[in-house]
Amino acid sequence: GAVVSQHPSWVICKSGTSVKIECRSLDFQATTMFWYRQFPKQSLMLMATSNEGSKATYEQGVEKDKFLINHASLTLSTLTVTSAHPEDSSFYICSARDQRTVSNQPQHFGDGTRLSIL
Amino acid sequence: DAKTTQPPSMDCAEGRAANLPCNHSTISGNEYVYWYRQIHSQGPQYIIHGLKNNETNEMASLIITEDRKSSTLILPHATLRDTAVYYCIVNNAGNMLTFGGGTRLMVKP
Repeated sequence: GAVVSQHPSWVICKSGTSVKIECRSLDFQATTMFWYRQFPKQSLMLMATSNEGSKATYEQGVEKDKFLINHASLTLSTLTVTSAHPEDSSFYICSARDQRTVSNQPQHFGDGTRLSIL
Repeated sequence: DAKTTQPPSMDCAEGRAANLPCNHSTISGNEYVYWYRQIHSQGPQYIIHGLKNNETNEMASLIITEDRKSSTLILPHATLRDTAVYYCIVNNAGNMLTFGGGTRLMVKP
């Protein structure tokens, strides 16, 4: 079945640095990918919709200059957390759907990236 | 997307069937019911989905009421590895998913 891979799975870095997270669809193409964030003991919250070849669409309250999204190919979207601070520490998860299949086919999720900012 | 309501937690004995309910009384005609689960510190895993007919796959069965206002996910023989948070999501196919609180299923020996 469809596989979505995220990298890295875990990162710790100092406050003020920027962190890039990759989301790849391994065996299918995805013109659209979704980025979610999950804080401890909470549900997933959609951050943005990544669109291949065009600008991402951000949810209300998500700073587009802080969370840079690039979707340069049909199999790769990246999320860069710029000048990260401790409050950005969270579990970041991406999802995608095989565009070749009928529209009701499910989204598939990566295994997530746990980001810890010291 | 229509909102769903699920019990916050449930327990199930290992080897028994786990029946997880979901209410989606405002579902519209073109919305599907999707079930995902999330095991601690992992991304959500797709389980099953349906429109109006009951569905079964190697993981679970999905029973949707005739009026489509509720559904039940059935894990026929729960194991300890089925302990997870289960999310019922109603979605107009292809769009981003809106996650509610889900049901935390605890399978006990």
